[in-house]
Amino acid sequence: DAKTTQPTSMDCAEGRAANLPCNHSTISGNEYVYWYRQIHSQGPQYIIHGLKNNETNEMASLIITEDRKSSTLILPHATLRDTAVYYCIVRVALSSSGDKLTFGTGTRLAVRP
Amino acid sequence: DTGVSQDPRHKITKRGQNVTFRCDPISEHNRLYWYRQTLGQGPEFLTYFQNEAQLEKSRLLSDRFSAERPKGSFSTLEIQRTEQGDSAMYLCASSPRPPTTDTQYFGPGTRLTVL
Repeated sequence: DAKTTQPTSMDCAEGRAANLPCNHSTISGNEYVYWYRQIHSQGPQYIIHGLKNNETNEMASLIITEDRKSSTLILPHATLRDTAVYYCIVRVALSSSGDKLTFGTGTRLAVRP
Repeated sequence: DTGVSQDPRHKITKRGQNVTFRCDPISEHNRLYWYRQTLGQGPEFLTYFQNEAQLEKSRLLSDRFSAERPKGSFSTLEIQRTEQGDSAMYLCASSPRPPTTDTQYFGPGTRLTVL
């Protein structure tokens, strides 16, 4: 799996958009970008994933650059409950043999009141 | 709740004792993963099952660790002769088989403390 680089920590004000960047300059053509988050003492929670098109769901938006070497997770209106560690992971998806997730240390997002 | 469940949520044991954890995946998810997470680090892969077959094991999975998924449904992870370095959060995840998706969904974890 390609290595990802994320800032160690970020903060944003409650109600504002949180934009979390991720660099994955060695991503391969068949690797997807996944985002998970982990709230203190809980299991990781799946947020969103994409291959090359921008994606949006009820939790967040994922913007992937045209060259696919970086992406940004956007939480449009951050709340205090969004305070968590956010992990950006690239992996081969939809393979017949399964593929583990390789987590880095993620970005610790603190949402301020 | 139809998510991944793990039992127990917390386990405190003395060094040298054996412990066993259970994971119940989301119904009809045929893939099951175990991860371990130590303080301040991201989860690390331990092992992977497709149905009842254990298809991949990390070198982190020493001889004291064994995982099973006898009927392709729930899974157990046993640690024999526990050591203080085994203290960690043990996470289970499950995913369906492609073609539609193979996104992994995690359980709440079992936190192990070895005294």
